[in-house]
Amino acid sequence: DAGVIQSPRHEVTEMGQEVTLRCKPISGHNSLFWYRQTMMRGLELLIYFNNNVPIDDSGMPEDRFSAKMPNASFSTLKIQPSEPRDSAVYFCASSFNLGDQPQHFGDGTRLSIL
Amino acid sequence: DQQVKQNSPSLSVQEGRISILNCDYTNSMFDYFLWYKKYPAEGPTFLISISSIKDKNEDGRFTVFLNKSAKHLSLHIVPSQPGDSAVYFCAASGNTPLVFGKGTRLSVIA
Repeated sequence: DAGVIQSPRHEVTEMGQEVTLRCKPISGHNSLFWYRQTMMRGLELLIYFNNNVPIDDSGMPEDRFSAKMPNASFSTLKIQPSEPRDSAVYFCASSFNLGDQPQHFGDGTRLSIL
Repeated sequence: DQQVKQNSPSLSVQEGRISILNCDYTNSMFDYFLWYKKYPAEGPTFLISISSIKDKNEDGRFTVFLNKSAKHLSLHIVPSQPGDSAVYFCAASGNTPLVFGKGTRLSVIA
């Protein structure tokens, strides 16, 4: 069975550019989560969706960050404009329903903003 | 304010010995706890979990212990193997999305 699929695996871009990270959750999973991992803050939850609807985006650091889930099989996390401090590994995870455990993670996108 | 704390950033253990990874939490509403394992360039993978109605859960070489009064849980790996070398994350939930600790890097030395 396919797990959570994220693309790209690596992204290097210059400060000020728009960055779009993509995620395909496990088929049948209704909840999707975006996380960011940094050395300083560990794994922090940015935003999560249930049945394609954003439930809580209080973890999104700034208005430069936005996320969408246009359908049950696709989500994007966009940063515009990007800054060097956005450099991190971004993970997407999914679960059957909100509160169901465990969440299943993708392999992440390593983002470097120069 | 960190609700889930893993106070040891790293741990080294000899192959064959026991590895003990610790985790403390502050939110008394947490009622389900998980351990995830993460290899470099991969996402975290679920390892073992425990509900607050239990104080121990075992799966092969992995055992998780929960002490609710101390708000403390630990992961025991016996015997430790070189393939266990990874970063281990403790996570907790309680009608909320998962809250993760910062992780402990375990190195098992052959």
